[in-house]
Amino acid sequence: NAGVTQTPKFQVLKTGQSMTLQCAQDMNHEYMSWYRQDPGMGLRLIHYSVGAGITDQGEVPNGYNVSRSTTEDFPLRLLSAAPSQTSVYFCASTQTRGHNEQFFGPGTRLTVL
Amino acid sequence: GNSVTQMEGPVTLSEEAFLTINCTYTATGYPSLFWYVQYPGEGLQLLLKATKADDKGSNKGFEATYRKETTSFHLEKGSVQVSDSAVYFCAFSSGGSNYKLTFGKGTLLTVNP
Repeated sequence: NAGVTQTPKFQVLKTGQSMTLQCAQDMNHEYMSWYRQDPGMGLRLIHYSVGAGITDQGEVPNGYNVSRSTTEDFPLRLLSAAPSQTSVYFCASTQTRGHNEQFFGPGTRLTVL
Repeated sequence: GNSVTQMEGPVTLSEEAFLTINCTYTATGYPSLFWYVQYPGEGLQLLLKATKADDKGSNKGFEATYRKETTSFHLEKGSVQVSDSAVYFCAFSSGGSNYKLTFGKGTLLTVNP
């Protein structure tokens, strides 16, 4: 199993550009989440999904869109990048309800100029 | 609202020293508690967890006990190694919503030989 994979590892954008951060998992997990990590802030939840076709907003959803067409994939879209979105983005997945751990991807470091 | 307060870093120790990283939480209901570790340049990995009061999570010499009366989950290790140098995050999920972790801000630990 590859676990949770994310692409790209690094990305530089100009203000106003759009892009999609890819996330995939091969563990057949129902739940997937996107977090951003900023210095001194810990990780904050952007969006999450409890299954294919179902998504919801987390703590900091503004400026981001998500969709979940398959169990495996959970892409994060930035429609018009802003410097405030410079961050490290982590995708995570977990099994259904319970006390199970979240499995994290290696992260995407995004810089918006 | 829900929150995690953990010891501000950075923490610098000599090899074989005793480590404590304090963590307290504010949550509704009966949360599950986690410690995650992030090694340089990598994603987050689960270090240990506890799912009910008085449970002790342990892994790789690290321990933490779920103290409901003090809403705490302090991380301890009796003898740290250089390889323990990393950022440590305290986190919890509540209401069975393990897709939605609330994180502390992280504590950077550096262990010198």
